[in-house]
Amino acid sequence: QKEVEQDPGPLSVPEGAIVSLNCTYSNSAFQYFMWYRQYSRKGPELLMYTYSSGNKEDGRFTAQVDKSSKYISLFIRDSQPSDSATYLCAMSAIETSYDKVIFGPGTSLSVIP
Amino acid sequence: NAGVTQTPKFRVLKTGQSMTLLCAQDMNHEYMYWYRQDPGMGLRLIHYSVGEGTTAKGEVPDGYNVSRLKKQNFLLGLESAAPSQTSVYFCASSYSTGRGPATVTQYFGPGTRLTVL
Repeated sequence: QKEVEQDPGPLSVPEGAIVSLNCTYSNSAFQYFMWYRQYSRKGPELLMYTYSSGNKEDGRFTAQVDKSSKYISLFIRDSQPSDSATYLCAMSAIETSYDKVIFGPGTSLSVIP
Repeated sequence: NAGVTQTPKFRVLKTGQSMTLLCAQDMNHEYMYWYRQDPGMGLRLIHYSVGEGTTAKGEVPDGYNVSRLKKQNFLLGLESAAPSQTSVYFCASSYSTGRGPATVTQYFGPGTRLTVL
C-alpha cells in the first residue's frame, strides 16, 4: 500500500463548478499537509499548507484535513479554466525539511469553459 | 531573476550512456533537491544538498550521483543509464535553517524529460 494515494482522474468539470480533490494516507504520524498545483510541462508550485486537522481558506481554495480518517481535501470554488492542472497532495511527519515530504501521484483536473 | 533553471529540457539516451543534468538557482538558496516524477508514483526525492559541498541520499538514490561544487548549481549524474530511469526530473531549491513548508517555500524548475532506450 502506498503511503499517500490520490485518484489520478482525469477529472473534468464545467467552469464555475465546485471541485473536490482528495488524498488518503496511511501514516498516522503525518501532521503537515500541502497541496501543489502543477501546470502541464511545468514544475509544481505550493498552493496551500495546513498543519494538523481543520480547515484553511485562501481565496477560492479551501484545504481540509481529517486526521481521524487520514483524509485530506482541496476544494476549489467557482472553478476557472486557469485551474486546469494536476494537483499533488504532499505531507510530512516533521516540519524540519522538505527531504521528509511524501508526495501523492496527483489528480489531473480539466475545467471546461 | 530566473529562479530555478534546468538544462537540458529534453534528452534521449541509449542504455549504458552517461549524462549530467544541470540545475541552477539565482536565489542564493542553501538547500537544493533532485526529484523524479513518474506516472502514478508522485514526486520521489533522489538526492538533496543542504549547502555547498554537501550531498545526501533521498528515497531513490540508486543509479544516480550528485555534486554541489558551487552554491548555485546542483548536478545530477547518470553513469550508466537504464530504461527504468526514463522519467521527468525536477530540481528544486529552498532557503536554509532546515525548516519545512511552515516557513520556507520550495521553488521548482521546469523539469527535464529523459528517455532511455
